[in-house]
Amino acid sequence: AQSVTQPDIHITVSEGASLELRCNYSYGATPYLFWYVQSPGQGLQLLLKYFSGDTLVQGIKGFEAEFKRSQSSFNLRKPSVHWSDAAEYFCAVGPITGGGNKLTFGTGTQLKVEL
Amino acid sequence: ETGVTQSPTHLIKTRGQQVTLRCSSQSGHNTVSWYQQALGQGPQFIFQYYREEENGRGNFPPRFSGLQFPNYSSELNVNALELDDSALYLCASSLVAGRQETQYFGPGTRLLVL
Repeated sequence: AQSVTQPDIHITVSEGASLELRCNYSYGATPYLFWYVQSPGQGLQLLLKYFSGDTLVQGIKGFEAEFKRSQSSFNLRKPSVHWSDAAEYFCAVGPITGGGNKLTFGTGTQLKVEL
Repeated sequence: ETGVTQSPTHLIKTRGQQVTLRCSSQSGHNTVSWYQQALGQGPQFIFQYYREEENGRGNFPPRFSGLQFPNYSSELNVNALELDDSALYLCASSLVAGRQETQYFGPGTRLLVL
């Protein structure tokens, strides 16, 4: 069964500092990988996705993530955090199947940005 | 803005009642998925509908049921509500083309069961 682990429940960074959120997955083959962000009381917004090809993927709002097969990881990074980045971040994995893609989410990392 | 809308935004029900939540997908998207997000948790997959047929279900009992309509709308029905059903319910629409699919989420319906 597929699973996702986000080891950090809470992270606090200063505005302007760099950010890395960790994500490890368990799946028997190469998965589809996603990062979503959720602001308080809101739905999920897609930040970026990995299907295949270049293992470094660029997303919206200046975020990027790197797929490392050997480490089963898909960490999210941003070189300079803005106060508006404070939110909860979810990593998700989906199976490669035709006709449907059920996402399995991690428990999320709550990001706090200090001014 | 994902183009996915949900109604109502908030709902309060009592234990034992039935509830219907609604979702309007992006035009042209042939797949809708429903997720339950309990407080402090990640979303949990309930089920998915593809071209109006159920296309997979997570670990949820049969009192959770759904419908998908040709006009890109869908419903999640929950019978015999329990206190643990209190959660944010998210729908996600996607266009399945080949082996790749990206799910776009609506803002959610927050359900409180008393």
